[in-house]
Amino acid sequence: NAGVMQNPRHLVRRRGQEARLRCSPMKGHSHVYWYRQLPEEGLKFMVYLQKENIIDESGMPKERFSAEFPKEGPSILRIQQVVRGDSAAYFCASSPPERATEAFFGQGTRLTVV
Amino acid sequence: SQKIEQNSEALNIQEGKTATLTCNYTNYSPAYLQWYRQDPGRGPVFLLLIRENEKEKRKERLKVTFDTTLKQSLFHITASQPADSATYLCALFTGGTSYGKLTFGQGTILTVHP
Repeated sequence: NAGVMQNPRHLVRRRGQEARLRCSPMKGHSHVYWYRQLPEEGLKFMVYLQKENIIDESGMPKERFSAEFPKEGPSILRIQQVVRGDSAAYFCASSPPERATEAFFGQGTRLTVV
Repeated sequence: SQKIEQNSEALNIQEGKTATLTCNYTNYSPAYLQWYRQDPGRGPVFLLLIRENEKEKRKERLKVTFDTTLKQSLFHITASQPADSATYLCALFTGGTSYGKLTFGQGTILTVHP
């Protein structure tokens, strides 16, 4: 059973470009969470999704950020018109239905905006 | 909003000693409190979970206590080894069985010297 898979592991974007981060949850997991870890800061919750639904996006910046978890395929975190302040490690976690406390994290995508 | 603080940014100890890490939080007590380990460039790995009605939990050389009166959790690693060197994260889980999110502390960098 493969763990939570995130790709790419490292992503470099110029200011103004778009960044797309992908997350494939563990098999049997229907809940996906995205967290962001800024340099010198702790992990911060961004968004929680179930298949085809955004359940809680209280941690998402209001502009330029969006997330989806389609019926087929991985969850995508999309950042439009990236700025230097978006440089961070973005982690995805998944959990099985009815066992939300059991969150398994991926290895993260390190986004660098130049 | 819930605030969580891990008292030490860094902790250095000698091999064989017990490492004790502290986590304090404000506001309401969470349903669960979790501890994670994070190695450089990797995602957090779940270690232990303790419920609000539990005082203590053990797993091999790890022990977690949870004092809802003091709003504090202590995390102990006994007979520490250099391989225990990592960043340890405290996280409050708020939610239920079907959904919840984690609020993380900043982490404590533990270094165990041979």
